[in-house]
Amino acid sequence: AAGVIQSPRHLIKEKRETATLKCYPIPRHDTVYWYQQGPGQDPQFLISFYEKMQSDKGSIPDRFSAQQFSDYHSELNMSSLELGDSALYFCASSPTTSGNTDTQYFGPGTRLTVL
Amino acid sequence: AQSVTQLGSHVSVSEGALVLLRCNYSSSVPPYLFWYVQYPNQGLQLLLKYTTGATLVKGINGFEAEFKKSETSFHLTKPSAHMSDAAEYFCAVSDEGGGNKLTFGTGTQLKVEL
Repeated sequence: AAGVIQSPRHLIKEKRETATLKCYPIPRHDTVYWYQQGPGQDPQFLISFYEKMQSDKGSIPDRFSAQQFSDYHSELNMSSLELGDSALYFCASSPTTSGNTDTQYFGPGTRLTVL
Repeated sequence: AQSVTQLGSHVSVSEGALVLLRCNYSSSVPPYLFWYVQYPNQGLQLLLKYTTGATLVKGINGFEAEFKKSETSFHLTKPSAHMSDAAEYFCAVSDEGGGNKLTFGTGTQLKVEL
């Protein structure tokens, strides 16, 4: 079965640089979520989109922005990177019209390292 | 605001022994509860979930959990631990109706010893 795809899997950036993380949800899933998991921490919700509109917002820094495109893939844009942004970034998707609408399916994550 | 508390950041069991990972939730509305497992350097995999209906839910790999409203608990159990169960386990809660953000507990690292 198709799963959530995230790219890149690993990313190394310098402080103050920008980064773009991409997420391709499971086919026919129209809701996308982004989470940030710092070292040794639990995942923290950043932001979510439904039908290309932002549906909820969590503890996402103003330096970060995200959007969902017409093909439902999503991108998380991170600017002025700081050392503390080093983390594993997960994308999850869920359907909202049929199937397991209450379940989020997670991608493998993008590990961002800021030097 | 919803929250979950996982008691014990590290749990160690012998192979073949009972696994019990504790999770208590706090929610002002009927919760949806989940257990996810994370293997090293991998993503989160859904083990099982409770939404409505039967309070004892069975998941993958022989795990099950029971929703106890009176105790606000959703503990994860497995009768007999296997070495391959060693991983980090996260309990999570979302609002009724789904489609909402997950709030995770701080995780429990399960170690299985010979």
